[in-house]
Amino acid sequence: GNSVTQMEGPVTLSEEAFLTINCTYTATGYPSLFWYVQYPGEGLQLLLKATKADDKGSNKGFEATYRKETTSFHLEKGSVQVSDSAVYFCALSSSNTGKLIFGQGTTLQVKP
Amino acid sequence: DVKVTQSSRYLVKRTGEKVFLECVQDMDHENMFWYRQDPGLGLRLIYFSYDVKMKEKGDIPEGYSVSREKKERFSLILESASTNQTSMYLCASNSGTGIQLNGAFFGQGTRLTVV
Repeated sequence: GNSVTQMEGPVTLSEEAFLTINCTYTATGYPSLFWYVQYPGEGLQLLLKATKADDKGSNKGFEATYRKETTSFHLEKGSVQVSDSAVYFCALSSSNTGKLIFGQGTTLQVKP
Repeated sequence: DVKVTQSSRYLVKRTGEKVFLECVQDMDHENMFWYRQDPGLGLRLIYFSYDVKMKEKGDIPEGYSVSREKKERFSLILESASTNQTSMYLCASNSGTGIQLNGAFFGQGTRLTVV
């Protein structure tokens, strides 16, 4: 079945450090891939997406590339800020189920 | 902007009570979902609905039921609340054709504590 695996957290970085959060997936068919962000006390917001292989999603300085050969969708940001502190979820949707499947979530804490 | 509204941000209920969590969306979406969020487990799908009066079990339906009498509203029901149902509950919606392009839109969540 479909599944998503994220690196375990929490991840603690200093401001302006480089961020990578790993995400790998298992899926049949041609899934779309997403990163969601959850700020403290809030629901999930779509951060970025990629709908086919080799697509790069980007938003707010974050990037992720859909790598079919390695079944990965790693999230990166060149210089994190304290305001990026949140929980990040990798997810996939599959056209044959119409559902979103989520990873475990990775907590990011950025210190000034 | 799509808006998904959950009726309560915080709830405290007693063991054995019947609990209703309400969710309303304003974009005429066909699909609606209820997830449960727990630390280290991510989001797990409880139930979802493709249309009015339609429902399907997700990965962890035990102890829950749902109701969708109108397209915009999707209710999650805990028939007899137990302490292991203490969690954050998230409602989401999207159009059937939009899931591949846009994922889903989420409400702010309801943090339920069962004592």
